Amino acid sequence: SAVISQKPSRDICQRGTSLTIQCQVDSQVTMMFWYRQQPGQSLTLIATANQGSEATYESGFVIDKFPISRPNLTFSTLTVSNMSPEDSSIYLCSAAGDPAYNEQFFGPGTRLTVL
Amino acid sequence: AQSVTQLGSHVSVSEGALVLLRCNYSSSVPPYLFWYVQYPNQGLQLLLKYTSAATLVKGINGFEAEFKKSETSFHLTKPSAHMSDAAEYFCAVNQAGTALIFGKGTTLSVSS
Repeated sequence: SAVISQKPSRDICQRGTSLTIQCQVDSQVTMMFWYRQQPGQSLTLIATANQGSEATYESGFVIDKFPISRPNLTFSTLTVSNMSPEDSSIYLCSAAGDPAYNEQFFGPGTRLTVL
Repeated sequence: AQSVTQLGSHVSVSEGALVLLRCNYSSSVPPYLFWYVQYPNQGLQLLLKYTSAATLVKGINGFEAEFKKSETSFHLTKPSAHMSDAAEYFCAVNQAGTALIFGKGTTLSVSS
């Protein structure tokens, strides 16, 4: 299994600012993902973070709003840019190791409130 | 494209009663199916997963799920509910090496 940590765990931000969320995995993983969980809702995939190349975004999410970096096999960042109250959500980092085991592990999440 | 549908956004049971949370999937290829649990203000925890080895899958905390291809279902059950089972439960699907796609979730309430 993989243990995933995220920083910050929560934050309150002002409209129009940006926040970068860090995700650290305790072992090298094949794939990393970012999800959003809006209040009372399920998890929606934002993008797949690709090591050494541009992230792959899902429909409805764009790089200008959610730039993602993945410089190595254990670390990724998600930036929420030009925030509005609608961005208030929990953002979760996820990682998958060997595809043969097909297990996906989740970080504790970052609870973001935008005023 | 793959998707899952969880029937019932809220299920209420009495302590000691059977828990049944429903999940139906849609997939053009053999799916991998998962159930996750999320306790209030906590992260996601894997309950169990189906990866084609056996149709009846046993997970943690006494939960199990049965894969029924003919019904495209993967319902989660537990014979006897405990108060500590109260949480949000998510069904998810993927193909190996791809991101999980989640259902909308079912809130389980357990009363004494």
